[in-house]
Amino acid sequence: GENVEQHPSTLSVQEGDSAVIKCTYSDSASNYFPWYKQELGKRPQLIIDIRSNVGEKKDQRIAVTLNKTAKHFSLHITETQPEDSAVYFCAARYNNNDMRFGAGTRLTVKP
Amino acid sequence: DAGVIQSPRHEVTEMGQEVTLRCKLISGHNSLFWYRQTMMRGLELLIYFNNNVPIDDSGMPEDRFSAKMPNASFSTLKIQPSEPRDSAVYFCASSFRLTGGLNTEAFFGQGTRLTVV
Repeated sequence: GENVEQHPSTLSVQEGDSAVIKCTYSDSASNYFPWYKQELGKRPQLIIDIRSNVGEKKDQRIAVTLNKTAKHFSLHITETQPEDSAVYFCAARYNNNDMRFGAGTRLTVKP
Repeated sequence: DAGVIQSPRHEVTEMGQEVTLRCKLISGHNSLFWYRQTMMRGLELLIYFNNNVPIDDSGMPEDRFSAKMPNASFSTLKIQPSEPRDSAVYFCASSFRLTGGLNTEAFFGQGTRLTVV
């Protein structure tokens, strides 16, 4: 099955700075890459996703980039705010529907 | 639609007892995932179904774990007998898989926090 590696495991930034989280995947057949945000005690919720036919997608302060050749994708959060503090998970998914997650990144945005 | 609904929200049970976790998919969804979340191991995929059929159960820890989809909108995850190391938050998630394999967003339930003492 798919193997997803995620770095860093923890990330602390100052409010207003940017945050970048990186993931790699092992199966070149993977074609869908979602990112989930999980606040303490709550369920993971999708914040952005990207399919393998595009290289970049942006939604306000959040962007995701995908490099299919290198099999890695990244989440970029600009102008971070304290409410961005949470655990972020990347995932990779392919046609047989398997969806596996990275280990997660605990992001702390300091006011 | 109320989203993916899991029950119970919390379960405390004694070692050796049978535990059944329940999940109701979003109406119209045809893919179902069960995950286990712990601090040490993160979000582990246990099993997933397409159109009520289990596709990959290689993530199920041992024979004590079993999962079923008796119909298109409902699934159960059963642990028998339960052990303290099974303590975790169990999530189910559902999505719609389009013809040709195109996958849509997966929505998570609120999770079941299981404590085995």
